[in-house]
Amino acid sequence: GAGVSQSPSNKVTEKGKDVELRCDPISGHTALYWYRQSLGQGLEFLIYFQGNSAPDKSGLPSDRFSAERTGGSVSTLTIQRTQQEDSAVYLCASSSDSQYQPQHFGDGTRLSIL
Amino acid sequence: DQQVKQNSPSLSVQEGRISILNCDYTNSMFDYFLWYKKYPAEGPTFLISISSIKDKNEDGRFTVFLNKSAKHLSLHIVPSQPGDSAVYFCAAITSGTYKYIFGTGTRLKVLA
Repeated sequence: GAGVSQSPSNKVTEKGKDVELRCDPISGHTALYWYRQSLGQGLEFLIYFQGNSAPDKSGLPSDRFSAERTGGSVSTLTIQRTQQEDSAVYLCASSSDSQYQPQHFGDGTRLSIL
Repeated sequence: DQQVKQNSPSLSVQEGRISILNCDYTNSMFDYFLWYKKYPAEGPTFLISISSIKDKNEDGRFTVFLNKSAKHLSLHIVPSQPGDSAVYFCAAITSGTYKYIFGTGTRLKVLA
C-alpha cells in the first residue's frame, strides 16, 4: 500500500525565496506531524495536525514558517524568506488516531538554502 | 533541555554479536517509548515499542528493555547483521499528548 509521500525530495533555493513542501499522508490517518532534522541533530518537532486543526504550533521556529492541512489529508509546510539556517531535512509522518500508534514517516525533503 | 538523550553518537559491532543501543530520559511522565531505524535518504521506520507498565518487549532479534527507576531504556539486537547498519532513534511520549520527543540518534555499523 502507499506510504507517506513527500515532495519535492530535494529543493535547492536562494536565500530570501519562499518554499513550499508537500506531504501526502497514508489514507485514513488523521494525525500528521512535521519534523526537521538538521545535520547531526535529532528530529525536531515542528507542528502536529489532528484532522485539519493544529492544536500546537509552538514548535515552528519563527513566523516565517507556516503549515496547513486541507481535507484531512494533504499538508503543506511553507517557509517564507528562507535563511541558510533553514537548510535541513524536513520529515512528515502520519498515524491513525489511536493513542500510541507508531508514526509512519515519508522520506523527507532535503532543503538547501544557498 | 534535551528530554531524551542518546549519548553514543556511533557504535560498531561485529556481525553475529549483540548490539546494545542506549537511551536516557529525564521526564518521568513519559509512559510509552519507541525505537525507529533510519537508513540514509529514507524516513525513519518503526522498529519496536514498550509501555511503561512493562520492562521488556521482544520481537525477533530485537528486544527493548525499560528501567523506569533509572529512566533508561536499551535496544538489543542479536545477532547483529550488516543490514542492521543504520541510525537508531529512541522516542518517548506521555499518554494524552501528541508530542513525541526524539533522541539525537546512534549510528550503528555492523561489520561483516
